[in-house]
Amino acid sequence: DAGVIQSPRHEVTEMGQEVTLRCKPISGHNSLFWYRQTMMRGLELLIYFNNNVPIDDSGMPEDRFSAKMPNASFSTLKIQPSEPRDSAVYFCASSFPDRRNTEAFFGQGTRLTVV
Amino acid sequence: AQKITQTQPGMFVQEKEAVTLDCTYDTSDPSYGLFWYKQPSSGEMIFLIYQGSYDQQNATEGRYSLNFQKARKSANLVISASQLGDSAMYFCAMREMDSNYQLIWGAGTKLIIKP
Repeated sequence: DAGVIQSPRHEVTEMGQEVTLRCKPISGHNSLFWYRQTMMRGLELLIYFNNNVPIDDSGMPEDRFSAKMPNASFSTLKIQPSEPRDSAVYFCASSFPDRRNTEAFFGQGTRLTVV
Repeated sequence: AQKITQTQPGMFVQEKEAVTLDCTYDTSDPSYGLFWYKQPSSGEMIFLIYQGSYDQQNATEGRYSLNFQKARKSANLVISASQLGDSAMYFCAMREMDSNYQLIWGAGTKLIIKP
């Protein structure tokens, strides 16, 4: 398996533009996580899907952020409109669902810079 | 209250020495899992080791071992014979049913191995 695949790896965009980050989880993994990592706030969970259904989106900063998981093999995180404070590394991770003993596998991350 | 506490923001260790990275956790769930991840400067999140709450023995994976003290709710990572390549951020995490099995993360410890 190729692991969790994220695209793009790097994104530079101007303030106000829409940004879409993409994630393909590992086949068979029914749990998917979107994280944001910054120096100031560390690793933050944005949203957590189980079987394509959002279970916890309390970490989504505001209405500018939205996430979808239309099927088991694809998820998107959209920021519209983007702001400089959204600059961060965004990780997608997947795992087997509802198990305490399974690790999450991370993608390589998308480094977003909003100028 | 913090669910996962890593009290060491940063550590310097001489090459070839053993390292202990601290992690304490808080849960009322009798069934939970504890994880350690490594994040080198390249940015990827690498799973290192897992310990289940019902496991009788401390987990080991090569040079990594987990000093699991259930009564004290601590799950310290021990790296034996440290190498320069061990320099990285290290994160402790927990999965529990009370949190819908999402990963709860500590703030991380930055480990620097000195030659």
